[in-house]
Parts: sequence; structure tokens; C-alpha cells
Amino acid sequence: AQTVTQSQPEMSVQEAETVTLSCTYDTSESDYYLFWYKQPPSRQMILVIRQEAYKQQNATENRFSVNFQKAAKSFSLKISDSQLGDAAMYFCAYMNRDDKIIFGKGTRLHILP
Amino acid sequence: NAGVMQNPRHLVRRRGQEARLRCSPMKGHSHVYWYRQLPEEGLKFMVYLQKENIIDESGMPKERFSAEFPKEGPSILRIQQVVRGDSAAYFCASSPGQGLNEKLFFGSGTQLSVL
Repeated sequence: AQTVTQSQPEMSVQEAETVTLSCTYDTSESDYYLFWYKQPPSRQMILVIRQEAYKQQNATENRFSVNFQKAAKSFSLKISDSQLGDAAMYFCAYMNRDDKIIFGKGTRLHILP
Repeated sequence: NAGVMQNPRHLVRRRGQEARLRCSPMKGHSHVYWYRQLPEEGLKFMVYLQKENIIDESGMPKERFSAEFPKEGPSILRIQQVVRGDSAAYFCASSPGQGLNEKLFFGSGTQLSVL
């Protein structure tokens, strides 16, 4: 069975600094998607970034980028120039052909002014 | 184009009552997913439906929980005889179709509180 592990329950970063959130996953599939979702206090699940496993190039979306290491089954999220609005729970997620998304337990990110 | 709409946003029930949670997918989306989120946890898959069909219900508890997505109208997640352990946030997500879940969009969730 596929699993997603986020080993950092909480992290803090100074405003304007860079932070990296870790995620590892376990699968025997070769074709899948990986996601990072942000959940602010409003509870809305917001897609931050998405990576197709067949693409070697790491996905980027403005200040958000990933380090995708397929062989190591690692998918970390880097947030550059952290802003107060980035404070939220961040969930790493995996999806393969059966179309279920499996989520990690989340990392709560605090931004220190 | 409205997003995924869930209602109610908050639902309070007493033990033994029934809870009905509604989800209207995005326009043009024919696939609906329900997830449950316990406090300080990630979302756990419950059920995947297309119009009038349950595709995968492997995450649904065997008793008291049911889901439907009729030809007309919203998808409904129904919990009969609720217990305190059912208290959680229930999220619905929709997508245009199978194999296109990179376009999965979530609603804002329904917070169920069982007294």
C-alpha cells in the first residue's frame, strides 16, 4: 500500500527566509503524481504545486519549488522569501492510477515576523 | 465558474441522529471524492463516485455511512446514528474524470460536531 510520510509536525521560519518541508512516500508504481496542498485556518485545501513522476524537471510555482528525488522517493517543498500569509498546514500527497489521493499527516508552518 | 460547494459548513448533531452532508461539484465535473479529516491529521479517503455509480468505497466504514451521487443534484454523504467519533471535517473534491485528477478541486469542508 502506498504511504506518505511527513516527519516534521511543525516548523518555523523567519519572514523573508527560506524553508524546506520534507516528504517521503512509498510506492511500487512508476507513474504517479505528487502534490503539496496548503490548508490555512479557513480550512480550504489549496493546491500549491504538482509534480508528474515521469518528469525529471522539478516543478516551480513562483516562490514555491520542489526537490523531487524519484529513486529516493522524496518530494520536499521549498518556500522562498516566506511571507506571513504562508502560515498554514501543508500536506504532501500522492496519487496513482486508481485516482485516490493519499495525504501525509501534515506540517504546520509558522512564520515569525 | 463556482468552485466545489459544500453545505452546511458546520453541522451539529446529537448522538443517534442522522447527518447529511452535501457536495455540488464544479461545473463540468462528473467525479466526486469524499475525505475525512480528524483534528491535526491529514485527509483520509472515504469514497469515490461518478454520477449514479460508486467507483471505490474502500475507505468507508462498513456501517452507518453511505454516499450517493445521483444523476441530478449534489452528492450526499450520509451518516446514520452518529457517534462522537464521527466528529470531523468532511471534504468533498471533484474532477473532470478518471485519469484527470491532477485537476482535483476541494470544497471548504463540512465540520461535523456530535454532542
